[in-house]
Amino acid sequence: AQSVTQPDIHITVSEGASLELRCNYSYGATPYLFWYVQSPGQGLQLLLKYFSGDTLVQGIKGFEAEFKRSQSSFNLRKPSVHWSDAAEYFCAVGPPSGGFKTIFGAGTRLFVKA
Amino acid sequence: GAGVSQTPSNKVTEKGKYVELRCDPISGHTALYWYRQSLGQGPEFLIYFQGTGAADDSGLPNDRFFAVRPEGSVSTLKIQRTERGDSAVYLCASSATSGTYNEQFFGPGTRLTVL
Repeated sequence: AQSVTQPDIHITVSEGASLELRCNYSYGATPYLFWYVQSPGQGLQLLLKYFSGDTLVQGIKGFEAEFKRSQSSFNLRKPSVHWSDAAEYFCAVGPPSGGFKTIFGAGTRLFVKA
Repeated sequence: GAGVSQTPSNKVTEKGKYVELRCDPISGHTALYWYRQSLGQGPEFLIYFQGTGAADDSGLPNDRFFAVRPEGSVSTLKIQRTERGDSAVYLCASSATSGTYNEQFFGPGTRLTVL
């Protein structure tokens, strides 16, 4: 079955510290991969996406993610977290054929402490 | 330009009632999606429109749920005989064309509470 697992329900990091949010997927083939952020009262916003090519992708707001095929993982990273990064983060996958049915993980809530 | 808007932002209703949730996509976007996000979960696909037609409604949980997009822009998600289990945030998204590689832009959602 197709699924996305985000093992950490919530994570707390200090402002200025580095961040890594984990994402593992189960899919028949290498899917399209996404990270979204959801801030309170805001819609989901796309941070970055991976379709093919370089396995390290850069996104907005200083985020990056690395695709590791052997581990079926697509972890999100940021070298230095800002208080404004506190939000819920969702990993998602889409069919490699370019179809539209995106499957989301349950999310990881990030707390940032001063 | 304006993003995706959804109205109302909050809807409280009683079990058994009928509700309509509205989505205004980004102007010119031909693809429109509805998702449901239950507490502590990620968004779950409900239905996808390409233009006026529902290209895939396989995510609708049962026949109490129905969605329309009569003129290819605004969409309405309709829920009949609401149940407490329908309580969730209903998200709408639009994209310029169909396909996963086309970024979906999400609205802020409508929080539905069924008492």
